[in-house]
Amino acid sequence: DIVMTQSPDSLAVSLGERATINCKSSQSVLYTSSNKKNFLAWYQQKPGQPPKLLIYWASTRESGVPDRFSGSGSGTDFTLTISSLQAEDVAVYYCHQYYSIPPTFGQGTRLEIK
Amino acid sequence: EVQLLESGGGLVQPGGSLRLSCAASGFSFDNYAMSWVRQPPGKGLEWVSGLRSSGGSTYYADSVKGRFTISRDNSKNTLYLQMNGLRVEDTAIYFCAKDNVPGGGGNPYDSWGQGTLVTVSS
Repeated sequence: DIVMTQSPDSLAVSLGERATINCKSSQSVLYTSSNKKNFLAWYQQKPGQPPKLLIYWASTRESGVPDRFSGSGSGTDFTLTISSLQAEDVAVYYCHQYYSIPPTFGQGTRLEIK
Repeated sequence: EVQLLESGGGLVQPGGSLRLSCAASGFSFDNYAMSWVRQPPGKGLEWVSGLRSSGGSTYYADSVKGRFTISRDNSKNTLYLQMNGLRVEDTAIYFCAKDNVPGGGGNPYDSWGQGTLVTVSS
């Protein structure tokens, strides 16, 4: 199984500042076909709610997701960046590899306001 | 609007059984692979099982293989998870989740239900 490891486990950032969450996979999730896609997604989960898809293919923003959210990285190292933290961004964030079965998730990163 | 509504959770003793259902609406259910993902209270996400759009191929996490069975009834737009031999460690909120594009699986999940709580305890 591919192990997904996020860092940090928790993060406190001031409103308007940048938040950065990292995700590392135990093996590459880059499919080296002609389109070279990274099978990596990011989700946001608020208390009492199901996860919400933010980013897929490592850097493609889901429809309706604010452009302050961006994803980057390739192979085994990925980053979710929130460029200017808003109060409504307080949540737990998960990375998810869908390159191989079983699909696996990172342990989550709790994002709070400083 | 896509809607996924889980039901069937509850309190069950170790060794018991439950059948979860996920009623889908707002999309062409028979074109999409579907999955079950669980979340123990206060903990992270764990993929449990997945099923291709046709229902012909099923996949399971090692932790539930041989005990859980995923199925779908495309005529009823419903996904199921039959859970037998339940263990205390199966206690979790169970979400059904839809692939973000039609096809056979291997995609992220763009729609999730609200989840149904399964508690295994004596």
